[in-house]
Amino acid sequence: DARVTQTPRHKVTEMGQEVTMRCQPILGHNTVFWYRQTMMQGLELLAYFRNRAPLDDSGMPKDRFSAEMPDATLATLKIQPSEPRDSAVYFCASGSEAGASNQPQHFGDGTRLSIL
Amino acid sequence: GQQLNQSPQSMFIQEGEDVSMNCTSSSIFNTWLWYKQDPGEGPVLLIALYKAGELTSNGRLTAQFGITRKDSFLNISASIPSDVGIYFCAGLLYNAGNMLTFGGGTRLMVKP
Repeated sequence: DARVTQTPRHKVTEMGQEVTMRCQPILGHNTVFWYRQTMMQGLELLAYFRNRAPLDDSGMPKDRFSAEMPDATLATLKIQPSEPRDSAVYFCASGSEAGASNQPQHFGDGTRLSIL
Repeated sequence: GQQLNQSPQSMFIQEGEDVSMNCTSSSIFNTWLWYKQDPGEGPVLLIALYKAGELTSNGRLTAQFGITRKDSFLNISASIPSDVGIYFCAGLLYNAGNMLTFGGGTRLMVKP
C-alpha cells in the first residue's frame, strides 16, 4: 500500500535550535497537509497545500514556523527558533483533489518532537 | 477552527461488547470520514461516506452518513482488544477542497 512517509520519526533538541520535518506524500496526490497533535488541543491544522501552492496556513505561528513544497515529492515544515511549547507530534497527510472528486487524506506516522 | 462534536470522549468496555460513537455539527458536510489512531502511529482511514443516508461496513465496523448531513455514527460490533485506540470523525465541507474538520476523538479501551 502507498504510504505517506515522514522523517524523522523522533526529534529531541534544545530550545532555540532549528527543526526541519520532512514529508513525502503519496505519489499522485496533489494536496498536502501539516497537523500538530497535542493532548490538550487534539489535531490542529497548520498548513494546506494544493499543487504545491500554499492555500491555508492560518493555523501556523508565522514568526517561527514555515512550510514549503520544494517539489511534488517533498514537503517541509521548519521551526526556527524552536520553543518548549512546540513539543508535539507533527503529522503530514496527503490527498487528491480533482474537481468534484476528492480522495480522502492519508496520514504519515508523524514526527514526535521534544524541545528541551 | 471549527470542531465537530464527537462523543463519547472515552469508553471502557468489555471484550465482545458492541460500541457506538457519533459526531454532530451545526454545518452540513458532503463527506464524512472515520479514522483510527493507534499509539505512536498516524490516523488510519477506516470508512469514507459520500452520500446522505449512506450506510457502509468494513468488517465489524459500520458507519452511517446522517440524512441531515450534519451527523455520522460509527459502530463496532463484538469488540476485541486490538480495537483499542482513538477514533476520529472528520467532515469535509462543501467547497472546502480537501480540507477536513476533525472531531475531538473517542478513546476506546477494551478489557479482555
